[in-house]
Amino acid sequence: EAGVTQSPTHLIKTRGQQATLRCSPISGHTSVYWYQQALGLGLQFLLWYDEGEERNRGNFPPRFSGRQFPNYSSELNVNALELEDSALYLCASSLATSSYNEQFFGPGTRLTVL
Amino acid sequence: KQEVTQIPAALSVPEGENLVLNCSFTDSAIYNLQWFRQDPGKGLTSLLLIQSSQREQTSGRLNASLDKSSGRSTLYIAASQPGDSATYLCAVRGSSNTGKLIFGQGTTLQVKP
Repeated sequence: EAGVTQSPTHLIKTRGQQATLRCSPISGHTSVYWYQQALGLGLQFLLWYDEGEERNRGNFPPRFSGRQFPNYSSELNVNALELEDSALYLCASSLATSSYNEQFFGPGTRLTVL
Repeated sequence: KQEVTQIPAALSVPEGENLVLNCSFTDSAIYNLQWFRQDPGKGLTSLLLIQSSQREQTSGRLNASLDKSSGRSTLYIAASQPGDSATYLCAVRGSSNTGKLIFGQGTTLQVKP
């Protein structure tokens, strides 16, 4: 069974541009989560989608947005990129909305903003 | 506000040693706690999940315990191997259904041959 997949692996952008990151969850998983891992800041929760709806977002500016498609895949968009947006962006998925469900992570997208 | 702390930040041991990684959290109202492994520049591999009602979980050479009342979890690695070298992260899922995991800063383990 395939795990969580993310694309692209690496993404290089310049300040002010927009970045789009994609995530495909494990088959059967309906919840998708996005996390940011910036150097020195640890892993920070960004967004949670389930059944096409945004369920929760972390303490990030509105420049960070996303959506979940009918096939449960998800997209993270970052507008007006800033240098400090450079980070590893990790996507995770889990079964349904139960808080008891394990989150499984993908390999990440490394975003570099120049 | 939930805070997760991992001690030590780094650990270097010779191959074959048994070792313990520590994780503490400030709010005992949690759904579960997960231990992850992360290799440099890679994603997270889930190692063990302990539900709030459980005391421990085992997988191969790994054993994780949970003491909710004291806000602590430990990850025990038996007979360490060079391939165990990685960063180990613990994360808790709070009792309010926010979906998010709150992570510690991790313990970077080096196992020397």
